[in-house]
Amino acid sequence: DTLMTQSPSSLSASVGDRVTITCRASQAISSYLAWYQQKPGKVPNLLIYAASTLQSGVPSRFSGSGSGTEFILTISSLQPEDVATYSCQSYISAPWTFGQGTKVEIK
Amino acid sequence: QVQLQQWGAGLLKPSETLSLTCAVYGGSFSGYYWSWIRQSPGKGLEWIGEINHTGSTKYNPSLRSRVTISVDTSKDQFSLNVRSVIAADTAIYYCARGRELFGEVAPFHPWGQGTLVTVSS
Repeated sequence: DTLMTQSPSSLSASVGDRVTITCRASQAISSYLAWYQQKPGKVPNLLIYAASTLQSGVPSRFSGSGSGTEFILTISSLQPEDVATYSCQSYISAPWTFGQGTKVEIK
Repeated sequence: QVQLQQWGAGLLKPSETLSLTCAVYGGSFSGYYWSWIRQSPGKGLEWIGEINHTGSTKYNPSLRSRVTISVDTSKDQFSLNVRSVIAADTAIYYCARGRELFGEVAPFHPWGQGTLVTVSS
């Protein structure tokens, strides 16, 4: 199984700040990495797939990078509506595994 | 546009069987794998298992001994059973569409609305 580890587990930043979240895989997963956004009380929503491809409708302030074992989700200018928990997922092979999530709050 | 709608009992006693069903509307049912995923309070997402229209399944080894996923192709529905539930099975359970049957691997999209299942005596 591929263990996915995210850091930090939570962060607080000001509106307009650049925010980065890191996801590390226990083994190389090429670019088979997705990011999900889960707003409080809501369903997880696919944000980015193939490590860097934005899902349709996702604002361009979100970006993803990386391959192999280290991946980064960047929010270039944090907005109030970005308050959520962000989770990464490896989908190279079953069992499909997720990171533990990073909670993003506004300072 | 594909939509997933799920339902099932939300309150169980220890040792009972959890049963949830997910219906797929507006898209190809036979062309994809369909998964169940859960999220325990304050914890991350955990993939439970998947099924396709032929009934072929894969399960997370951590739950395999207690889980059965089944399919009803006449209704474009798939179901989850978890036997002998314990308090640690308390979670929000989601259904979701996964990879294409004959395509590349893919992430989960879209998801059902989620069902909170509480196990308590």
